[in-house]
This record gives sequence, C-alpha cells and structure tokens, in this order.
Amino acid sequence: SQTIHQWPATLVQPVGSPLSLECTVEGTSNPNLYWYRQAAGRGLQLLFYSVGIGQISSEVPQNLSASRPQDRQFILSSKKLLLSDSGFYLCAWSAGGEQYFGPGTRLTVT
Amino acid sequence: GQSLEQPSEVTAVEGAIVQINCTYQTSGFYGLSWYQQHDGGAPTFLSYNGLDGLEETGRFSSFLSRSDSYGYLLLQELQMKDSASYFCAVRDQGTGFQKLVFGTGTRLLVSP
Repeated sequence: SQTIHQWPATLVQPVGSPLSLECTVEGTSNPNLYWYRQAAGRGLQLLFYSVGIGQISSEVPQNLSASRPQDRQFILSSKKLLLSDSGFYLCAWSAGGEQYFGPGTRLTVT
Repeated sequence: GQSLEQPSEVTAVEGAIVQINCTYQTSGFYGLSWYQQHDGGAPTFLSYNGLDGLEETGRFSSFLSRSDSYGYLLLQELQMKDSASYFCAVRDQGTGFQKLVFGTGTRLLVSP
C-alpha cells in the first residue's frame, strides 16, 4: 500500500530564516506530487505540483520554491521566511481522481 | 478561472441526515471529489464522481449533476466523529488533468 511521509510535524522559525520541508512517498512510482498551504480555518491553496523528476509547476509567485530530486521525494524550500508563510503545509500525491495527503507540517513564523 | 461555492457551516444532531452542497464554475470539467478534514489533521479522500448520479460509500453518498454544475455530499446516521470540515474539489480541464481546485470548505458540527 502507498504511504506518504512528511517531516517535521511542527516547526517554529524566525522571520528571515530558511526553510526546508520534505515529503516522501512509498509504494508507488512516478506519482504526481503536490504542495498545499492551508491558513487557519481556510481552504487549501495549491503552491506547487510535479509530474516527474525535476518538473515543477508553480501556482502562486512567492518566496517559496520546490524541487523533486528523486521520483518519490518532494521538497519545499524558502531562503527567507516571512510572517505570512505561517500555515499548515500539506504534501499530497494523486492517483486518478483522488489525492492522498501526508500528515502535514504546521509552520509558525515568529 | 475556477470557483467553487460551499456553505461555510452546517449543524445537525446525531442520527440525522445532512447534505452539503457544492456549486462550481470551471472552463472544463473532469470530476468532483469530496474530502474530510478533522481539526488539526490532514484531508482524507471520501468520494469521487466522474459521471452524473449518485455514488454510495457506507453512510456517505455523493451526487453530481454536470448540467447544473452542482454536487452534494450526503451524510446519513450522523455520528459525533463526523464533526469536521468537508471540501469539494474539481479536476478542471482548463487547468490541466493533474490539478484539483478546492472549495473553501464546510464546517459540520454534530451535536448530541
């Protein structure tokens, strides 16, 4: 069966510090991968998606970037965090009409 | 662009039936999905409608009418654990096969 991992679960970072969130998927090959952000009490905002190694599509211009160095690894990064980057970051993979989410990383920028 | 509308909040009592509606506007359409998210948790997939009609999975059913750009999620025999946010999402031909567009979510509160 397929499993998606994200870490860390929670993170508190100061403004201006860098960020690296990692997501890995097990049990499937060549998945479509996604990064979402969810502000408290709000919906899901798609940040990036990837259909293959090195292929990244950005949905929202901002100070975040994504990379896919391996087939089942998706990384979200920032060189300098902003207060507005706080939120719940979710990685997901898709199979047909369904998406499956990782447990998420709750990021607080102070 | 794409937009989806859902009620922001719905309340019901245990054992009741509740319907959460979703209307959408997209340039194209592949299907409508529903996701459940408990507070502090990640969304989990509930159902998918690619064609018109009703899909049933246990206590949950989902309906789609493509001609009306409308769907709903029906929850029967409500339990306290059903208190959560529910999101509809569309696969939009205009944005590409690989992407989903999510609604803003409906918070369901189930009381004893």
